[in-house]
Amino acid sequence: ELKVEQNPLFLSMQEGKNYTIYCNYSTTSDRLYWYRQDPGKSLESLFVLLSNGAVKQEGRLMASLDTKARLSTLHITAAVHDLSATYFCAVIGGTSGSRLTFGEGTQLTVNP
Amino acid sequence: NAGVTQTPKFRILKIGQSMTLQCTQDMNHNYMYWYRQDPGMGLKLIYYSVGAGITDKGEVPNGYNVSRSTTEDFPLRLELAAPSQTSVYFCASRKKAGQDHSSWYGYTFGSGTRLTVV
Repeated sequence: ELKVEQNPLFLSMQEGKNYTIYCNYSTTSDRLYWYRQDPGKSLESLFVLLSNGAVKQEGRLMASLDTKARLSTLHITAAVHDLSATYFCAVIGGTSGSRLTFGEGTQLTVNP
Repeated sequence: NAGVTQTPKFRILKIGQSMTLQCTQDMNHNYMYWYRQDPGMGLKLIYYSVGAGITDKGEVPNGYNVSRSTTEDFPLRLELAAPSQTSVYFCASRKKAGQDHSSWYGYTFGSGTRLTVV
């Protein structure tokens, strides 16, 4: 069974600081997704990482994938309040076929 | 282009009542999914479909049923509502991928249905 673990689950940081969210998964996969969810809202797609070594950047967020380590990171550079949200990683792999398996999410709060 | 449309947005049910959560997509996507999200948690897959007439169970299918008579629609049925089914339900869809990895599209999610069973 594919398991996806994120850490930390809660992250409170100051504006201007950098931080990294980690996503580990338990079986082989070369497709990993990052989503953002604002309170009471649906999921917004941030990144799709399709191969080992893939790196994607959008604004202050950068995501990377290491399929050998079964690890993805979401790096936040010079955080701003607008980045406050819950971030989920999700993986397709193992016996799950075409199904996405989600991590528990990282609740990020950026304080002024 | 509406994307994935879910109705209703909110619903309160009494224990033992039944209801159908509607999901429609207009992107001609082959794959459709139903997830539930409990407070402070990630999403768990209830049922999914890879095309019209084909459905399969996910992680947490008990208490739910689905059908896929058309490409566009994927309704989720709750037959005997229980308090444990209080959750936010998301429908999602994606295009069938080709052989090229670059065609592995991301999922499109609906806005969700917030269901409370009392």
